Amino acid sequence: EVQLVESGGDLVQPGGSLRLSCKASGFTFNSYGMHWVRQVPGKGLEWVSGISWNSVSIGYAESVKGRFTISRDNAKNALYLQMNNLRPEDTAFYYCVKEIWDSGYEPYPVDVWGKGTTVTVSS
Amino acid sequence: IMMTQSPLTLSLSPGDRATLSCRASQSVSSNLAWYQVKPGQAPRLLIYGASSRASDIPDRFSGSASGPEFTLTISSLQPEDFALYYCQHYSSWSSLAFGGGTKVELK
Repeated sequence: EVQLVESGGDLVQPGGSLRLSCKASGFTFNSYGMHWVRQVPGKGLEWVSGISWNSVSIGYAESVKGRFTISRDNAKNALYLQMNNLRPEDTAFYYCVKEIWDSGYEPYPVDVWGKGTTVTVSS
Repeated sequence: IMMTQSPLTLSLSPGDRATLSCRASQSVSSNLAWYQVKPGQAPRLLIYGASSRASDIPDRFSGSASGPEFTLTISSLQPEDFALYYCQHYSSWSSLAFGGGTKVELK
């Protein structure tokens, strides 16, 4: 069974940092692009960042560019999101998401979502 | 690239036809997906490539495109189809934006 399990969410003060992790299992992690998507309760989905299977291609939403860094460790089947200089508007539920097809050089749609982890930025 | 969905809400009855729209601010070619979101559940991929149904998606769901305008059609609403629907383009690593969503609610 394909599984994505996020961790690392917490309550942090504005300007603080957090590192989210996503542990993948049940598929060949090193062949799939991965993404982080967030959702504020009662609001819509927002794509945050994505990384190709080989880490060659990386992208960020304008709202997080320069503050967040996505990375992956294929040996550990893990995806990360380093979040620095956090703002109250970063408060959201963060999902780790897997692309539907493998070995892509362009991004693909996503088909598997983790259960998410909560990030709260507040003083 | 920004994705604009309309309407915000569709109030319909079971058996009705639902037509949801999504407009891209720039060309995204056919790199457009539709997702269904229900409370407490992970989003479900419905359509990719603007018009291809994902695995196990009933054929009452269909997608189409005309230039920058994309449409998700549910031919005959079933009780389980009342949910939120999002479009998303995936044309570039620099931006994979979602639309704001359309809620299909029971009239």
